[in-house]
Amino acid sequence: AQRVTQPEKLLSVFKGAPVELKCNYSYSGSPELFWYVQYSRQRLQLLLRHISRESIKGFTADLNKGETSFHLKKPFAQEEDSAMYYCARTPMDTGRRALTFGSGTRLQVQP
Amino acid sequence: DSGVTQTPKHLITATGQRVTLRCSPRSGDLSVYWYQQSLDQGLQFLIQYYNGEERAKGNILERFSAQQFPDLHSELNLSSLELGDSALYFCASSATRVSIWETQYFGPGTRLLVL
Repeated sequence: AQRVTQPEKLLSVFKGAPVELKCNYSYSGSPELFWYVQYSRQRLQLLLRHISRESIKGFTADLNKGETSFHLKKPFAQEEDSAMYYCARTPMDTGRRALTFGSGTRLQVQP
Repeated sequence: DSGVTQTPKHLITATGQRVTLRCSPRSGDLSVYWYQQSLDQGLQFLIQYYNGEERAKGNILERFSAQQFPDLHSELNLSSLELGDSALYFCASSATRVSIWETQYFGPGTRLLVL
């Protein structure tokens, strides 16, 4: 079964501190991995995806196939980064791209 | 704003009742996905439609059904409601051409409360 594990429910850091949100996935073929963010009272938004290898709002994530991980990192947290972060996966199968989500990690950035 | 709309925003109903949730995808998007977000189960995929036809099924109960109409909007029907069906129901739509670059854009959700 496809699984996504986010071990931390809550991560609290101070502004300017580095952030790492952990995500591990069960090995099942070659999935595509995503990070979605949900700011307070807003809809889910795509933050980044592993196949594009881009950096959004200072966040990066590297797919580590050996450790089956896709941790989200940012060197210096900002208060506006406070939100719920969801790691998700989908099969590479075009046409059937339902997302399997982790349980989410709430990031609190304190001033 | 992703361009995906959902109505109603909130819905309060009683056990045993039936409700219909509506989703309008982004203009031109052919795929619609439904997800349920609850405290105990997290975010779960329910069902996907592509251009009017069911494409994939997830953890959708038999009491739940969905359809996608010729104008591409979709409805999720929930019947014989139970307290445990209280959740936030999201729909998402994705690009007109299926590819590995397909991105799902989420609507604001419908919050359902079953009393």
